Amino acid sequence: GEDVEQSLFLSVREGDSSVINCTYTDSSSTYLYWYKQEPGAGLQLLTYIFSNMDMKQDQRLTVLLNKKDKHLSLRIADTQTGDSAIYFCAWMDSSYKLIFGSGTRLLVRP
Amino acid sequence: ETGVTQTPRHLVMGMTNKKSLKCEQHLGHNAMYWYKQSAKKPLELMFVYNFKEQTENNSVPSRFSPECPNSSHLFLHLHTLQPEDSALYLCASSQVANLPGNEQFFGPGTRLTVL
Repeated sequence: GEDVEQSLFLSVREGDSSVINCTYTDSSSTYLYWYKQEPGAGLQLLTYIFSNMDMKQDQRLTVLLNKKDKHLSLRIADTQTGDSAIYFCAWMDSSYKLIFGSGTRLLVRP
Repeated sequence: ETGVTQTPRHLVMGMTNKKSLKCEQHLGHNAMYWYKQSAKKPLELMFVYNFKEQTENNSVPSRFSPECPNSSHLFLHLHTLQPEDSALYLCASSQVANLPGNEQFFGPGTRLTVL
């Protein structure tokens, strides 16, 4: 089936690293995504990773993919208050529909 | 205007009202999407239009009626809604639908409250 699980809430101190985790059940997707939603705004694509990759780094963002455990994570280095938002992992199913996780609310404390 | 815009941003309606949500994309895309985001469920795909043709209806009740007059505009017509339909309705667009790795660009959403 199609299911994506995320922890609901994460609180970190400004300057620390944040790690947001995602577990999915269907491994057929070739693309996995991370979206960010700020208050009152739509979703913004942050980064994505191909399923044949283990890691992707993009400035402060590092995506790790463990296909064996069906685990995807997003690491934000030097977390800033502007990073406070809801983060969604998502993957594209076999009919090219995006399936979203329930979202993790990240709170960055000054 | 740039990107994907949605109007109105907030809407309060009674169960007997008829209203419409509007989405416009200024990206030259050919695919447009409606999603529902509620507090209790993950983001749910409702409808997909590709080159003005509806290609996906994700078992959405008939009280929601989409319309796509051209590739830049998408409407969601609402009638006899229920309180449980209260949610954030997000519109998105992409170059085409049903293509792997196709990035979807989202609008800010319409916050709908049904009384």
